Amino acid sequence: DVKVTQSSRYLVKRTGEKVFLECVQDMDHENMFWYRQDPGLGLRLIYFSYDVKMKEKGDIPEGYSVSREKKERFSLILESASTNQTSMYLCASSFNHIGQGYGYTFGSGTRLTVV
Amino acid sequence: QQQVKQSPQSLIVQKGGISIINCAYENTAFDYFPWYQQFPGKGPALLIAIRPDVSEKKEGRFTISFNKSAKQFSLHIMDSQPGDSATYFCAALFMNTGFQKLVFGTGTRLLVSP
Repeated sequence: DVKVTQSSRYLVKRTGEKVFLECVQDMDHENMFWYRQDPGLGLRLIYFSYDVKMKEKGDIPEGYSVSREKKERFSLILESASTNQTSMYLCASSFNHIGQGYGYTFGSGTRLTVV
Repeated sequence: QQQVKQSPQSLIVQKGGISIINCAYENTAFDYFPWYQQFPGKGPALLIAIRPDVSEKKEGRFTISFNKSAKQFSLHIMDSQPGDSATYFCAALFMNTGFQKLVFGTGTRLLVSP
């Protein structure tokens, strides 16, 4: 009954590498989101998308980019990984209109370590 | 202001006790207030939610109390159990031209001691 799938649970990358985090949802949701979670800072929104090929910056977009070529897939890209990007990354999705359903469905997260 | 302030940051409760987590908001345009529960190694999952035209919602041992005039809402966990140990996030839903966006509190780590 998995609905939002993140491709990796754990990832270790070297400083300067280009990193791709993949997220796929099977609920036909229009909206998709990328968050990072750090102790004491809660969930911080990096980027979101409300339609294919559309993207909007969240609260902390610096150092990240995203791609949404298909409705079900939303990718987060770290162009040149740095140690301060070591974090838990969470993908989420939702319907666009609350009439179809409230709230987000989250994936299980990817714990990224940059060394 | 689209912030949601959550307290406390961490909480230790004895088994059988009541856990209380509080949240406050500024933007009166918020129109849905969910709580999410996150276990270690998992993503947050919707636990319970309330609309602002209701003052209280109860689901089993979990109750949301909502005070619209004070712009505050809280989660009460009655008869807390060790299995309730998790991180809890309050949130508020913001509608912008039909697009729903959640604003999250910073989270509360709850530990229920046996």
